[in-house]
Amino acid sequence: GAGVSQSPSNKVTEKGKDVELRCDPISGHTALYWYRQRLGQGLEFLIYFQGNSAPDKSGLPSDRFSAERTGESVSTLTIQRTQQEDSAVYLCASREVAGTYTDTQYFGPGTRLTVL
Amino acid sequence: AQKVTQAQTEISVVEKEDVTLDCVYETRDTTYYLFWYKQPPSGELVFLIRRNSFDEQNEISGRYSWNFQKSTSSFNFTITASQVVDSAVYFCALSDIDTDKLIFGTGTRLQVFP
Repeated sequence: GAGVSQSPSNKVTEKGKDVELRCDPISGHTALYWYRQRLGQGLEFLIYFQGNSAPDKSGLPSDRFSAERTGESVSTLTIQRTQQEDSAVYLCASREVAGTYTDTQYFGPGTRLTVL
Repeated sequence: AQKVTQAQTEISVVEKEDVTLDCVYETRDTTYYLFWYKQPPSGELVFLIRRNSFDEQNEISGRYSWNFQKSTSSFNFTITASQVVDSAVYFCALSDIDTDKLIFGTGTRLQVFP
């Protein structure tokens, strides 16, 4: 079946502008995660959604970052007043959580954000 | 605090050599998951393995094998008879059972030369 999809694949913006990144999880996956990967580094956790529970925002680096999720489907990560240090690949992952069964996370291809 | 350390930044080998990628983790949780992911030059993250902390049996999948040692908090990954297609960045990760938030190491870049 279809995997996790993300759009756009690449985004170039000017410092100070707002950007929105989109993630479409695998159908039926109730858990959704956003991660950031700076050049040459590992992934950093940003935010986690699980069903109707309040999201875990503990990884968001500043109040310029926010994310929303509509039900158990699409999620949008918004970065306001972008800074050059926001340049990174933003990866989305989804996971099926059904009762006590938990699958692994499946990652999308990422959005490469470049802030000039 | 949870932490994953991959001390090897980059490894270069010649095809057919065996190579081991090291991973050491820190956690206060008694139950957790350990993972390995592969990130080829194309950029996508490819899931390789998930291991529950209660299961210390080593695992072999084709040319890949994993050695989990709870006593030393290590989860090392060995590729036998490496191939050029194995060239990628390999990430070790740790998660807690409840949220499955992944804590990644900084990755090891493996280059396999023909």
